[in-house]
Amino acid sequence: GDSVTQMEGPVTLSEEAFLTINCTYTATGYPSLFWYVQYPGEGLQLLLKATKADDKGSNKGFEATYRKETTSFHLEKGSVQVSDSAVYFCALLPRLGAQKLVFGQGTRLTINP
Amino acid sequence: EPEVTQTPSHQVTQMGQEVILRCVPISNHLYFYWYRQILGQKVEFLVSFYNNEISEKSEIFDDQFSVERPDGSNFTLKIRSTKLEDSAMYFCASSEQGRDYGYTFGSGTRLTVV
Repeated sequence: GDSVTQMEGPVTLSEEAFLTINCTYTATGYPSLFWYVQYPGEGLQLLLKATKADDKGSNKGFEATYRKETTSFHLEKGSVQVSDSAVYFCALLPRLGAQKLVFGQGTRLTINP
Repeated sequence: EPEVTQTPSHQVTQMGQEVILRCVPISNHLYFYWYRQILGQKVEFLVSFYNNEISEKSEIFDDQFSVERPDGSNFTLKIRSTKLEDSAMYFCASSEQGRDYGYTFGSGTRLTVV
């Protein structure tokens, strides 16, 4: 079945460091891909998305490129801030069939000043 | 920006009691969902709802659970005879027509069964 695998957390970085959170997926066909962020005490917020191969989603300095050949959608940011501390979830929405998001396990990111 | 609103934010209930979790989706959205996140685990799909009926449900969504859209704005999840393992964060979400829009999630209801 469809699945999403994220890199194990927690991840701790210093402010202004470069961030990569790896995400790979298994799906039939070409799903839409998403990154959601969950700040402490809050719900899930859509961070960015890509709906087809080679699309790049971007928002708030974060980027992720839909790589069909490696079935990946890695999240990157060039210079993180303390306010980026949160849990990040990679997710896919299958192209065919059920319209339900399949989530990765989440990666907790802590940025130290 | 339009929001999905969930109430209450936290509910504590005795094992065996019934609870109703409430959600107000974004007004022009057509698809509604419930997900849950047991502490430290993945966010899991429970059920999707479209055109006043369930369009899909997961294995988790057994006879203990039901959903309803009692009026034009609310979307509820009822859990009958709660068990300890029902303790989780429950998220409501809604989406516009079409599968590529992404979902808007509410801030969640933390259910604690004691």
